[in-house]
Amino acid sequence: RKEVEQDPGPFNVPEGATVAFNCTYSNSASQSFFWYRQDCRKEPKLLMSVYSSGNEDGRFTAQLNRASQYISLLIRDSKLSDSATYLCVVNGAKKGGSYIPTFGRGTSLIVHP
Amino acid sequence: GAVVSQHPSRVICKSGTSVKIECRSLDFQATTMFWYRQFPKQSLMLMATSNEGSKATYEQGVEKDKFLINHASLTLSTLTVTSAHPEDSSFYICSARDGDFAPLHFGNGTRLTVT
Repeated sequence: RKEVEQDPGPFNVPEGATVAFNCTYSNSASQSFFWYRQDCRKEPKLLMSVYSSGNEDGRFTAQLNRASQYISLLIRDSKLSDSATYLCVVNGAKKGGSYIPTFGRGTSLIVHP
Repeated sequence: GAVVSQHPSRVICKSGTSVKIECRSLDFQATTMFWYRQFPKQSLMLMATSNEGSKATYEQGVEKDKFLINHASLTLSTLTVTSAHPEDSSFYICSARDGDFAPLHFGNGTRLTVT
């Protein structure tokens, strides 16, 4: 089992749709969780951290389920500009004295008019 | 917000030459910096983890003598691609964080083309 797994998609949705991404992780000792977005040929940008109680930032809602070891990202009222690859990042594996953030392969979202 | 500056953003060099890429955290002290490589349409691949004042920890399959990493201060890490070859052409991205469980902040990346 991969450390962090995501459905690669693509998710192809119309403007205004609600779309949800899930991400599962294998290390139960993982301590912190994040969602990033990456546009084509650009660096990843932090979208939001994911907290145990769930958190919301405008149209974006992130949730963490420690028991089932998954995190989710919900995007409401999708915009064309939301088209990107969404990366799930889980921080917990320790290597060489540092906690290494592990990236999922990313889920591609295409929002069309 | 936290800013990470990476230079150069683009470099074209001849085969056999060396290229140095700088990564700076501008408004925070980075306890750890990470170097990634990304080929077109592929995932980010972690190359090495760098802590200030200590040797970098390289991922399996990454040659430490070819990809030299120096983390001289809490705000600066450099990656030198030595004796570059065309297969080293890729998008190199650094990231930094100010705590073990803090989010990563990425530089803008360096697109390296070796001719």
